[in-house]
Amino acid sequence: DGGITQSPKYLFRKEGQNVTLSCEQNLNHDAMYWYRQDPGQGLRLIYYSQIVNDFQKGDIAEGYSVSREKKESFPLTVTSAQKNPTAFYLCASSTGQIHSGNTIYFGEGSWLTVV
Amino acid sequence: KQEVTQIPAALSVPEGENLVLNCSFTDSAIYNLQWFRQDPGKGLTSLLLIQSSQREQTSGRLNASLDKSSGRSTLYIAASQPGDSATYLCAVRQGGQNFVFGPGTRLSVLP
Repeated sequence: DGGITQSPKYLFRKEGQNVTLSCEQNLNHDAMYWYRQDPGQGLRLIYYSQIVNDFQKGDIAEGYSVSREKKESFPLTVTSAQKNPTAFYLCASSTGQIHSGNTIYFGEGSWLTVV
Repeated sequence: KQEVTQIPAALSVPEGENLVLNCSFTDSAIYNLQWFRQDPGKGLTSLLLIQSSQREQTSGRLNASLDKSSGRSTLYIAASQPGDSATYLCAVRQGGQNFVFGPGTRLSVLP
């Protein structure tokens, strides 16, 4: 089945640790995104990538890093510099053509908790 | 900067009622608007997508309208069912690859 796979579903991080969230898609989409969702709030864009080996900061990129070495993969690293990392993280993808009316597809999300 | 708001923040209705969820955006220069459903602890599922040139889209019991000039969209749910209980989010797509999401409306349909 085509879709977006995020792992792990639940992750616990100790203070001062970096953790990496995995996102893989088999939809052949050019664009991929990482969003953060806090309880009762909307989605905020962390990073997005329009094409392999290129990515752009979103609204809340501080304390996060990404890479896009393959079209299928867009891992997110939550670094120790992120002061309040406990949240629900959503990965998404879409085709690169804005005018085609394409939709955005989401993974099932990853819960990160700092302990 | 584009801002998207949704009213109400939460809604509780008895089964069978028709209901309307509202979405407003501040910048009318959008390519499209989408409505999503999110179940607790899950990702988002796209329900309807309206292109900027369109006025409405329908899928089953769902109907979404778009008035780009006034910066408003509504999602109409007919004959609501307990299975419709979820959070509904709207999002607008602008230039580049950015989608801007509203905070969502949490819907509870009581049996």
